[in-house]
Amino acid sequence: GAVVSQHPSRVICKSGTSVKIECRSLDFQATTMFWYRQFPKQSLMLMATSNEGSKATYEQGVEKDKFLINHASLTLSTLTVTSAHPEDSSFYICSAQRGVGYNEQFFGPGTRLTVL
Amino acid sequence: ILNVEQSPQSLHVQEGDSTNFTCSFPSSNFYALHWYRWETAKSPEALFVMTLNGDEKKKGRISATLNTKEGYSYLYIKGSQPEDSATYLCAFRNNAGNMLTFGGGTRLMVKP
Repeated sequence: GAVVSQHPSRVICKSGTSVKIECRSLDFQATTMFWYRQFPKQSLMLMATSNEGSKATYEQGVEKDKFLINHASLTLSTLTVTSAHPEDSSFYICSAQRGVGYNEQFFGPGTRLTVL
Repeated sequence: ILNVEQSPQSLHVQEGDSTNFTCSFPSSNFYALHWYRWETAKSPEALFVMTLNGDEKKKGRISATLNTKEGYSYLYIKGSQPEDSATYLCAFRNNAGNMLTFGGGTRLMVKP
């Protein structure tokens, strides 16, 4: 149990376009989902925390108008990179937490975004 | 900014060797310490969630210890196998929320 899927696994887009990444908890309901970003040879860095039905909380330095997060249901959160530029090229990965009383976060396999 | 560090960055061992690596984290406001195993092209897999000082957890040949007072955790692998090759991540959670701060990972390669 506790499987999280992420789609697409890899995307290449032109500069200026928007890209949507989906994160789904397949066999549990996730009240909270997290979006991370990883630059080459660096740690996973938290971008934002989203709770179902409410606005996402963004970490310092993350532009909320560029990285739109929607958590419309207990099993789906989406990250949209708007007007992508080459510097947005990175590895994006989501995780999901069952609820307030649970410690574990379950991760998706990640999405490699390349902006040309 | 919370400082979570892992050492070594990478490690090459022979099949059958036992190995260990370290995660250091802030010793104040501790809530939990997570260990994950991350194979290439797969999702990070949760290994352990450790919450109490002195905790020792075991899963097959892998075990972990926790010292919250001095801010470190060790992960041990007994009799390494090629399938243990992966990046091992630790993540610190303080008592201010449910955010995880990750270390840079230790990349383990086990040669047959």
